[in-house]
Amino acid sequence: GESVGLHLPTLSVQEGDNSIINCAYSNSASDYFIWYKQESGKGPQFIIDIRSNMDKRQGQRVTVLLNKTVKHLSLQIAATQPGDSAVYFCAEILNTGGFKTIFGAGTRLFVKA
Amino acid sequence: DAGITQSPRHKVTETGTPVTLRCHQTENHRYMYWYRQDPGHGLRLIHYSYGVKDTDKGEVSDGYSVSRSKTEDFLLTLESATSSQTSVYFCAISESDGARCFFGSGTRLTVV
Repeated sequence: GESVGLHLPTLSVQEGDNSIINCAYSNSASDYFIWYKQESGKGPQFIIDIRSNMDKRQGQRVTVLLNKTVKHLSLQIAATQPGDSAVYFCAEILNTGGFKTIFGAGTRLFVKA
Repeated sequence: DAGITQSPRHKVTETGTPVTLRCHQTENHRYMYWYRQDPGHGLRLIHYSYGVKDTDKGEVSDGYSVSRSKTEDFLLTLESATSSQTSVYFCAISESDGARCFFGSGTRLTVV
């Protein structure tokens, strides 16, 4: 399958623990943010999104936190499972008249059984 | 993968040859995108389309062209493949500009 990257930041967690994946974004004018998950050999899949007028949004087992002051985004995964092992990307969407999406390089999450 | 099919899944080609990658969607989404993914980089936009016959360049468009003659099909052509175009290519679709994307499974292209 397609490999994602050889030199990504890596987070290793024990099954059942909570995971926190961080992302620093670049543009204070970005008004929409998305987290994607990419499993080995697959394309990225949408996990959760958040608008800039919010600072927290929860999904099923996932929570995204947005700190606009320091341009930081985090993804929290509760009770991490082996199936959560993947590369996680944040994306910021900037409205410059048209929309521009900027993807982060990603973080690799390993879940130890 | 949300009704997106990329073909071929894998291809090896020689330097200087033309190559066409195909993306087919069954979701009737207006926007279609071609990205490349390389180690150490986030996804980088090559070209995108906002309707039939309406396309525009992304940040890494040199050496690539695209065509969209039907809503469901978006073709990416490498006019004369180079080793720097060895990459994994992803097609994506979205309902509107700036909305979340649905990605295909990717095409691994190796230029030798």
